[in-house]
Amino acid sequence: AQSVSQHNHHVILSEAASLELGCNYSYGGTVNLFWYVQYPGQHLQLLLKYFSGDPLVKGIKGFEAEFIKSKFSFNLRKPSVQWSDTAEYFCAVTPNSGGYQKVTFGIGTKLQVIP
Amino acid sequence: DGGITQSPKYLFRKEGQNVTLSCEQNLNHDAMYWYRQDPGQGLRLIYYSQIVNDFQKGDIAEGYSVSREKKESFPLTVTSAQKNPTAFYLCASSIWARPQHFGDGTRLSIL
Repeated sequence: AQSVSQHNHHVILSEAASLELGCNYSYGGTVNLFWYVQYPGQHLQLLLKYFSGDPLVKGIKGFEAEFIKSKFSFNLRKPSVQWSDTAEYFCAVTPNSGGYQKVTFGIGTKLQVIP
Repeated sequence: DGGITQSPKYLFRKEGQNVTLSCEQNLNHDAMYWYRQDPGQGLRLIYYSQIVNDFQKGDIAEGYSVSREKKESFPLTVTSAQKNPTAFYLCASSIWARPQHFGDGTRLSIL
């Protein structure tokens, strides 16, 4: 079974600081990877996804993530955060091997951006 | 607009009582899911359904039951057997093997 580890549970940054949230997964085969975001009082929504191809994927609101297969990592980055990025961020993984495969979520990272 | 509707937004349960959380989607998605979200534990899968009249247990199915009589609907019942039901419950749907779309959630508390 796959698992996901998010290293930072609570991150506090000032506006304009750069952001990198760590995500590592464990699974022996090929995977699909996701980052979801949950803004305060809102539902979870997809930020970006990786299925195949270019390991550097760009999502909404200036976020990007890089899949490094050798490190089993899919870290989320943003060059300059804004106060509106305050939210909880979840990394998720699912095996890419046909048929239904369960999506496994990390425990989440709460990001607080200080104006 | 297409989306997922969960109701109610807040729900209170008395000891020994079963309660049912509603989830409806108009996205024409085949797959639907129920997650429980607890602080510091992320999202844990309770049940999922790939097609109508079929569903499978997730990681924490004990004390919960579901039905899938219609494609659009996937209600979750929290039974009295669930000893720690206080949590935030999220319903999701997806096209097979594609990213999931989530509802706004239902917060369940014990009276």
